[in-house]
Amino acid sequence: AQKITQTQPGMFVQEKEAVTLDCTYDTSDQSYGLFWYKQPSSGEMIFLIYQGSYDEQNATEGRYSLNFQKARKSANLVISASQLGDSAMYFCAMREGWSGGGADGLTFGKGTHLIIQP
Amino acid sequence: KAGVTQTPRYLIKTRGQQVTLSCSPISGHRSVSWYQQTPGQGLQFLFEYFSETQRNKGNFPGRFSGRQFSNSRSEMNVSTLELGDSALYLCASSPRTGSQEQFFGPGTRLTVL
Repeated sequence: AQKITQTQPGMFVQEKEAVTLDCTYDTSDQSYGLFWYKQPSSGEMIFLIYQGSYDEQNATEGRYSLNFQKARKSANLVISASQLGDSAMYFCAMREGWSGGGADGLTFGKGTHLIIQP
Repeated sequence: KAGVTQTPRYLIKTRGQQVTLSCSPISGHRSVSWYQQTPGQGLQFLFEYFSETQRNKGNFPGRFSGRQFSNSRSEMNVSTLELGDSALYLCASSPRTGSQEQFFGPGTRLTVL
């Protein structure tokens, strides 16, 4: 079974609209971290936002917020007021085994290709 | 502060050859992780080094190896290259193992002919 599932291969959104990118995850660990990365066509992975499994509040970073629903194992990324520069691939990722002494590498979803239209 | 640097940025090799990729982490960061990105398999974790020791390893054959030096710079080696090794290889650095954030470099695009 996939550990990270992103069900939207591609999305077209009008500029200035809000957009939600879906991500569900599967883990039996109690301690884990969830991440969203943006990858423009240049290839570099840009960190956007992080949510720890024990964090009670949803994470926010500027225009980015993470809608964390632990019971549903869902960690959707919300981008408010989208901009043309937001066009890129977006990856949801998880890091398990987070027990202070170390952790596994990031497990990534297949990504969502977001295109912002003017 | 300078970001993560990877060299070379592009590389073309032929089957059977070996290749070494280099990654210099952000100054002060001691953990370096490597990832392979292909259209078919997506992004996959290769290994993580911290304080010159391999801490974690992904599910890759022994042809893939790495090391980390005392200055935290890391190298990744792939021996006996196969066509399927063509990929973007990304390096990420973090202050310590298990750190929340990983800062990625621009990647090395390897093409195997």
